[in-house]
Amino acid sequence: LAKTTQPISMDSYEGQEVNITCSHNNIATNDYITWYQQFPSQGPRFIIQGYKTKVTNEVASLFIPADRKSSTLSLPRVSLSDTAVYYCLVFNNNAGNMLTFGGGTRLMVKP
Amino acid sequence: SQTIHQWPATLVQPVGSPLSLECTVEGTSNPNLYWYRQAAGRGLQLLFYSVGIGQISSEVPQNLSASRPQDRQFILSSKKLLLSDSGFYLCAWSPESSGAFFGQGTRLTVV
Repeated sequence: LAKTTQPISMDSYEGQEVNITCSHNNIATNDYITWYQQFPSQGPRFIIQGYKTKVTNEVASLFIPADRKSSTLSLPRVSLSDTAVYYCLVFNNNAGNMLTFGGGTRLMVKP
Repeated sequence: SQTIHQWPATLVQPVGSPLSLECTVEGTSNPNLYWYRQAAGRGLQLLFYSVGIGQISSEVPQNLSASRPQDRQFILSSKKLLLSDSGFYLCAWSPESSGAFFGQGTRLTVV
């Protein structure tokens, strides 16, 4: 299973772009990369998923370099409500993956 | 569309009492199912996962057990709760190639 490493915490200010990087050096060929957002006392919420290059949706972008050993979640123009914990997950569901999460990154957005 | 239901939302139980938390998924068949526990301010600890009826894999030796009596039902149990069993319990399901989708969680306080 690919282990993930993220910064423990990050601070930002409203309106700024935030980039959170996740390292997954032993990612396998069939693995996907998914990011989640979790607010206190709630279940993690799916944000975005990718396999390679760049993926963009209405809330975030995900950048994955050619070697796929890392990925960067980009949140444009964050607001106070983006304060949360963000988890990077590498998985291969075809193998009945155990879906083991890393420690996550605690993002604090300040006014 | 698929939905996941987890109940109860909060639970206060005395030490030594039994526990039963239930999770059901609608709108899909043969999902992978997971139970996680989250201590205050900590990450997600995978407890059990199941790839099919009656198939349970345990990740952490503990005072808890899991069962999957039906395809879309996953139950977390304990015969005698310990103080250390307190935490936020999350059920999740996983479709192919899309990571995991979580329930809203159960806040368990053992007193």
